[in-house]
Amino acid sequence: GENVEQHPSTLSVQEGDSAVIKCTYSDSASNYFPWYKQELGKGPQLIIDIRSNVGEKKDQRIAVTLNKTAKHFSLHITETQPEDSAVYFCAATVPNTGNQFYFGTGTSLTVIP
Amino acid sequence: GAGVSQTPSNKVTEKGKYVELRCDPISGHTALYWYRQSLGQGPEFLIYFQGTGAADDSGLPNDRFFAVRPEGSVSTLKIQRTERGDSAVYLCASSLFQRTSTDTQYFGPGTRLTVL
Repeated sequence: GENVEQHPSTLSVQEGDSAVIKCTYSDSASNYFPWYKQELGKGPQLIIDIRSNVGEKKDQRIAVTLNKTAKHFSLHITETQPEDSAVYFCAATVPNTGNQFYFGTGTSLTVIP
Repeated sequence: GAGVSQTPSNKVTEKGKYVELRCDPISGHTALYWYRQSLGQGPEFLIYFQGTGAADDSGLPNDRFFAVRPEGSVSTLKIQRTERGDSAVYLCASSLFQRTSTDTQYFGPGTRLTVL
């Protein structure tokens, strides 16, 4: 099956700085890559996603880039705020395999005021 | 509109007991998923329903785990003879089933299961 690796596992940034989280995947057939934010005691919340026919997608302070050749995708958060502090998960899915998501191991982001 | 809801939010049980965890998906979502999340890890797939049937149960760890979705909406995850290693957060997600593209999954808050 698909294997998704994520790094770093922890990340601390000063408020206002940018944060970048990177993921790699193993199955070249994967075609959908969502990013989730999980706050303590809550379920994962979708923050942005990208499909394999697109190289970059942006939504306000959040952007995701996808490099299909290298099989990696990244989350970029600009102008970070304390409320961005949470655990972020990347995921990938392979079509026609039940639509299950394969998740990375998470990045704990701390934004220091 | 209402999101995915799960009950109970917390469940503490003793080793060997039987537990049921409930998931109410977003109205109109035909696909429903169960995942398990251990401390410090990402969610791991357990089972996927399309309508009333389990389309993929390859993630269920053993035959102590079973899930149903009799009317194509609410789903119940059932765990028999619980073990301490079953302690985790059990997440439910739902999505619209779109034949031509991969679906976005929306997660509930999870049920934290603790087996003593």
